[in-house]
Amino acid sequence: DAGVTQSPTHLIKTRGQQVTLRCSPKSGHDTVSWYQQALGQGPQFIFQYYEEEERQRGNFPDRFSGHQYPNYSSELNVNALLLGDSALYLCASSFKGFFGTGAGDTQYFGPGTRLTVL
Amino acid sequence: LAKTTQPISMDSYEGQEVNITCSHNNIATNDYITWYQQFPSQGPRFIIQGYKTKVTNEVASLFIPADRKSSTLSLPRVSLSDTAVYYCLVGGSYIPTFGRGTSLIVHP
Repeated sequence: DAGVTQSPTHLIKTRGQQVTLRCSPKSGHDTVSWYQQALGQGPQFIFQYYEEEERQRGNFPDRFSGHQYPNYSSELNVNALLLGDSALYLCASSFKGFFGTGAGDTQYFGPGTRLTVL
Repeated sequence: LAKTTQPISMDSYEGQEVNITCSHNNIATNDYITWYQQFPSQGPRFIIQGYKTKVTNEVASLFIPADRKSSTLSLPRVSLSDTAVYYCLVGGSYIPTFGRGTSLIVHP
């Protein structure tokens, strides 16, 4: 049973550039959520995709956008990169637009993509 | 959003039992409680989830009192490899809010 996968593992960009991160959800899951985790902090919710639409969004600017494909995989795009965008970007998958339905079903996280902006 | 409060850090020694308590005073009726473990530069890993009373799996136990305003993650006989950050999350159908978690350090 394949878990959540993310690519690339690491990425180095310069200020002003654009970046695309990719995520494939756990087998059987149809919902993808993206999180940003700064050093020493807990993950912060960016947005969630379900049925190829953005369903919920956290407190992040429009420079952060995403997409979900029919096979449930997802992309996170960040434009006009700032130094403060340097972080670990996590993808989590779940089912039916929830963050977990209880009874043992919850979000499952990928290994993350470490983005460094110089 | 359900707010949670955990100790920032804890220390233990190999072979001891560790209990990490999370406070969630405004938990809603439909909310359940989930604990994650995170190692540096890795994604959080699901440990255990529960709604009430006690839940046990192969790695941990979760104790939830009747009023559900708190929960305790119990790690039996910790080892050095249990050194990590542990997060308590409450909810399920709405955006989960991660705090800073509890940094557990296990000493030899």
